[in-house]
Amino acid sequence: GQNIDQPTEMTATEGAIVQINCTYQTSGFNGLFWYQQHAGEAPTFLSYNVLDGLEEKGRFSSFLSRSKGYSYLLLKELQMKDSASYLCAVMDSNYQLIWGAGTKLIIKP
Amino acid sequence: DADVTQTPRNRITKTGKRIMLECSQTKGHDRMYWYRQDPGLGLRLIYYSFDVKDINKGEISDGYSVSRQAQAKFSLSLESAIPNQTALYFCATSDHQDYNEQFFGPGTRLTVL
Repeated sequence: GQNIDQPTEMTATEGAIVQINCTYQTSGFNGLFWYQQHAGEAPTFLSYNVLDGLEEKGRFSSFLSRSKGYSYLLLKELQMKDSASYLCAVMDSNYQLIWGAGTKLIIKP
Repeated sequence: DADVTQTPRNRITKTGKRIMLECSQTKGHDRMYWYRQDPGLGLRLIYYSFDVKDINKGEISDGYSVSRQAQAKFSLSLESAIPNQTALYFCATSDHQDYNEQFFGPGTRLTVL
């Protein structure tokens, strides 16, 4: 079967750095996405990785290792507004997104 | 104006009632999706459509049906609502030429009593 695993909840301090991990087992691979979702709102796109390595976009970076079925999202200089759920999703061989349950990130002052 | 809109935003209904959720988009995307989200679970795909005449079942299509009336419109129906269909429903769109990044509507919170 297809499976996406990520931690349920993480806590970090304002100004710090946090890494959210995601491991996956899917039927085929056509890219990995990270989305941010504030409570009660729609998910919004953060990053896309299809090749191994690190993609940097401002305070957010995403890493992919296809051989290990592993990705992480790195958030730097954390701000209170970063408190949200972070969703990892993999596009399978049928170009459907398989979603993880999300990691709720709590930022403390 | 929002690129992906959903109506209604909130709905409370009773078991056995027929419900239709509507989604419209102005992004010009060819692909549209319906998901449901439940606490502690990931987004689960109900139905998706890659073009006007294309309808495909997702992971959890039982109890649901869809209609793609035009490229910009994709509606989800619950023929006879039941309490375990209480959830947050999202519509999403993507463009096959743009690595399929999905853009989500604001969601419809449905409660079935």
